[in-house]
Amino acid sequence: GAVVSQHPSRVICKSGTSVKIECRSLDFQATTMFWYRQFPKQSLMLMATSNEGSKATYEQGVEKDKFLINHASLTLSTLTVTSAHPEDSSFYICSARGGLDTEAFFGQGTRLTVV
Amino acid sequence: GQNIDQPTEMTATEGAIVQINCTYQTSGFNGLFWYQQHAGEAPTFLSYNVLDGLEEKGRFSSFLSRSKGYSYLLLKELQMKDSASYLCAFMDSNYQLIWGAGTKLIIKP
Repeated sequence: GAVVSQHPSRVICKSGTSVKIECRSLDFQATTMFWYRQFPKQSLMLMATSNEGSKATYEQGVEKDKFLINHASLTLSTLTVTSAHPEDSSFYICSARGGLDTEAFFGQGTRLTVV
Repeated sequence: GQNIDQPTEMTATEGAIVQINCTYQTSGFNGLFWYQQHAGEAPTFLSYNVLDGLEEKGRFSSFLSRSKGYSYLLLKELQMKDSASYLCAFMDSNYQLIWGAGTKLIIKP
């Protein structure tokens, strides 16, 4: 299957700092990328959907000024958690798909811990 | 409205067969996906059904009935490594994925 690479896999940061997470599609062009967060023992929660070259669409309740998403190319999307707080500690996962009706492939996920 | 439902947890024995059901309601449908997720890891793709019927892929098979809004994932010859959460998701008319909460499958020796 297609490969989606997400970095870093783990990050610990101090409260008030910002963290950038990268998501790359390695062998296909990702027209759409999705960002999820997942709390322990809970299901995926979609945060936002981004299409290359346009602004991300955020789900209700997700602060777009706090979770900055940039999808500047067909192979790269970034999520920046700004002014992180301990409650932002979670597992963040990106997924990417090449076409509308194709399967989405997931990155490895990023375990963010804010101390 | 849209909704999707799957059992929270199932238990099965190593070497046996287990069927994980998923029911959904939606006005627009563009296929149903099954993913496997081990604890602490991201989901991995298992199957995609857009037409009615059974799709077999090794030990895993997935079935879809669009008229009934029903799918199942069948796992044969269960192995301990199959212990994981299994997520079903359908794609709606806007090509957005709507996710179930996942079924935690526990395999016992």
